Amino acid sequence: DAKTTQPNSMESNEEEPVHLPCNHSTISGTDYIHWYRQLPSQGPEYVIHGLTSNVNNRMASLAIAEDRKSSTLILHRATLRDAAVYYCILRDVGYGNKLVFGAGTILRVKS
Amino acid sequence: NAGVTQTPKFQVLKTGQSMTLQCAQDMNHEYMSWYRQDPGMGLRLIHYSVGAGITDQGEVPNGYNVSRSTTEDFPLRLLSAAPSQTSVYFCASSGRKLAGGPGNEQFFGPGTRLTVL
Repeated sequence: DAKTTQPNSMESNEEEPVHLPCNHSTISGTDYIHWYRQLPSQGPEYVIHGLTSNVNNRMASLAIAEDRKSSTLILHRATLRDAAVYYCILRDVGYGNKLVFGAGTILRVKS
Repeated sequence: NAGVTQTPKFQVLKTGQSMTLQCAQDMNHEYMSWYRQDPGMGLRLIHYSVGAGITDQGEVPNGYNVSRSTTEDFPLRLLSAAPSQTSVYFCASSGRKLAGGPGNEQFFGPGTRLTVL
């Protein structure tokens, strides 16, 4: 599985947008970019995924660089409930349920 | 739907004891997995199953056994507990979908916190 690199931690103010970066310079053409987050004392939960185009859902937006070597998860208005560890994961297009987790980014939200 | 359920929530074992961590899902998912998470680290895959009767090893399978006799259940057995197995264990399930398609996301249980003395 191709490797991703994320900052160890980031801090944001409540009600402000948050941009969480992820570098994946060895991404292959068939790798999808998936994001999960893990709230304190809980299991991870799915956030969003994409291949080439930017994606939006009710939780977040995913902006993917034109060369696909980096991506950014965007939380439009951070709340205290968004404080979590965010994981950027690459997954091949084929069937499979294996997720390879890195250390992720710890997001702290200040009120 | 209850989603993915795990029992017990907490467990303390002595070195050498054996036990089974239970995992069940009610979403008719074909894929089920077990991960462990050590303090300050990401999750690591222990074993996974692509359907009833089919299991395979993940990244850190030593010391653990699994079986999948039904679609709903995927128990994880610790054969002879060791302090190195102190961790939080998460079970996950997902449908049989392409990685990039809708409905492929994994659903995680709440975890079992295991301490081995």
